[in-house]
Amino acid sequence: SYELTQPSSVSVSPGQTARITCSGDILARKYVRWFQQKPGQAPVLVIYKDTERLSGIPERFSGSSSGTTVTLTINGAQVEDEADYYCYCGADNSLRVFGGGTKLTVV
Amino acid sequence: QMQLVQSGPEVKKPGTSVKVSCKASGINFSGSAMQWVRQARGQGLEWIGWIVVGSGNTNYAQNFQERVTIARDMSTSTTYMELSSLRSEDTAVYYCAAGDFDLWGRGTLVTVSS
Repeated sequence: SYELTQPSSVSVSPGQTARITCSGDILARKYVRWFQQKPGQAPVLVIYKDTERLSGIPERFSGSSSGTTVTLTINGAQVEDEADYYCYCGADNSLRVFGGGTKLTVV
Repeated sequence: QMQLVQSGPEVKKPGTSVKVSCKASGINFSGSAMQWVRQARGQGLEWIGWIVVGSGNTNYAQNFQERVTIARDMSTSTTYMELSSLRSEDTAVYYCAAGDFDLWGRGTLVTVSS
């Protein structure tokens, strides 16, 4: 099986840069998607193919990749960005994997 | 507009089964894959399985292989997820999603309690 590892929490002040990492051996050969989930809501796709931002997502959200680690960066985090963030990888046809999630606090 | 509408909340007794539906509109249903995940209260996302709508081929996570069935009805653009032998640990919000999680339903709360 494959595992994706995320920090359980990240905390920044408004206007600072938030970085959320996702690590796993599979990431050396597979793309990652990032999802944002606010309380009581379904997840929403934010980033796909490691670095591509979905239409309508603010430009302060970006993704990067290096080896077996991908990073979601929020430049100038806003209070409304406070949410849980999940990385996800379609490892193969019989296995889809989510990271454990990172709670982003902006306060 | 594109949306996935899921069935309403369910309360089930241990040992029984639950069937959750997910009706798609505004998307190319027959050309899609439909995924199912669940999320226990305060926990992360857990992948259950998926179906390639056109072929009907399915793949299930190892943890669910013996208890889950995912099916589709192309005439109504609906996918179904049935989970059997329910136990309290199956209490969660169950989500359907289209494609590679491009579009999500709003979730269905399944409560398993005696």
